[in-house]
Amino acid sequence: NAGVTQTPKFQVLKTGQSMTLQCAQDMNHEYMSWYRQDPGMGLRLIHYSVGAGITDQGEVPNGYNVSRSTTEDFPLRLLSAAPSQTSVYFCASSYSWRAENYGYTFGSGTRLTVV
Amino acid sequence: GENVEQHPSTLSVQEGDSAVIKCTYSDSASNYFPWYKQELGKGPQLIIDIRSNVGEKKDQRIAVTLNKTAKHFSLHITETQPEDSAVYFCAATRGFKTIFGAGTRLFVKA
Repeated sequence: NAGVTQTPKFQVLKTGQSMTLQCAQDMNHEYMSWYRQDPGMGLRLIHYSVGAGITDQGEVPNGYNVSRSTTEDFPLRLLSAAPSQTSVYFCASSYSWRAENYGYTFGSGTRLTVV
Repeated sequence: GENVEQHPSTLSVQEGDSAVIKCTYSDSASNYFPWYKQELGKGPQLIIDIRSNVGEKKDQRIAVTLNKTAKHFSLHITETQPEDSAVYFCAATRGFKTIFGAGTRLFVKA
């Protein structure tokens, strides 16, 4: 099992560019989510999905889109990058949509810099 | 909105001493409380968790306690070792959403 795989590990974007952060898991987990990590602010939820075809917004969804066409993949799209989106992004998955019953498995993160 | 407060933000202990990290949550409907350890350059890793119907849980050198009335929960690490040095996050979960604390950077001095 590879667990949760995120690509790329590092990315530099210019303001206004768009890109997709990839996330894939091979554990047949129902629940997947995206968090951003900023110094002193912990991890903040961007979007989440409880199964293929079902997504919803988290705490800080503005400027990001997601889709979940398969159980395995949950890409995060930045529509028009802004310097405020400079952050480390983590994808996390859980066995069941009942997230309270199981902890998360995190990917290794994507460090994004917007200049 | 709902939040989780975590203290201290930085903790430095001598090897062999104990370390305690405390969290307070605001959503009284939260019913699952995991703790994660994040080493440099890696994603957070689940180390222990506790559910709302349990007051205490222990796993070797790590223990968690939960006081639902006060909405407090704590992580206790005994006999600390240099490899315990990392950032620790507490979290509170209700339904589909998990709210994380801001993190505690633990330094264990050899």
